Amino acid sequence: AQRVTQPEKLLSVFKGAPVELKCNYSYSGSPELFWYVQYSRQRLQLLLRHISRESIKGFTADLNKGETSFHPKKPFAQEEDSAMYYCALSTRRHAGNMLTFGGGTRLMVKP
Amino acid sequence: ETGVTQTPRHLVMGMTNKKSLKCEQHLGHNAMYWYKQSAKKPLELMFVYNFKEQTENNSVPSRFSPECPNSSHLFLHLHTLQPEDSALYLCASSQDRGQGNEQFFGPGTRLTVL
Repeated sequence: AQRVTQPEKLLSVFKGAPVELKCNYSYSGSPELFWYVQYSRQRLQLLLRHISRESIKGFTADLNKGETSFHPKKPFAQEEDSAMYYCALSTRRHAGNMLTFGGGTRLMVKP
Repeated sequence: ETGVTQTPRHLVMGMTNKKSLKCEQHLGHNAMYWYKQSAKKPLELMFVYNFKEQTENNSVPSRFSPECPNSSHLFLHLHTLQPEDSALYLCASSQDRGQGNEQFFGPGTRLTVL
């Protein structure tokens, strides 16, 4: 069975400091990894997906299959980055896109 | 309204009530999902529908009954719920069945079972 682990429930950094969110997964198939973000009073929305390798809101991440990790980094955190971040693993079963989520990390960026 | 909408946004019900949650997507997607977000657990997938067909039931108790009359609408019928079913219920949709396709989420329905 697949599993997604976010070891940090809370991550607190100062504005301008680098930030790295952590996500580890276990899955026997070919993984597709995502990060979703939920800002205060907003709905869950996509931040990153490993297949596109885009940089969104300054975050970049590479899938490390050897370490089964997908850790996004941002060199200089901004206060508006404060939010809940969820790592998700996509698997294919029958039909439909199945997402397994991690427990979430609350990022607080202090002024 | 654009995107994924959910009604009602808040619902309080007793254990003997029957109620329904509604989700509508205006994105032309053909896959829709119900998730449960509890305070102390990760976001959990409940049901998946693809082209109106239920393709996944993630071991959800029968007191939750989904219905997908067409690709744009998804319902979650609730009956004889328990207090531990209190949670935020999120609906999402995505295009087709692609593994890497983004899911678009609604704002959720905050359910409280008394």
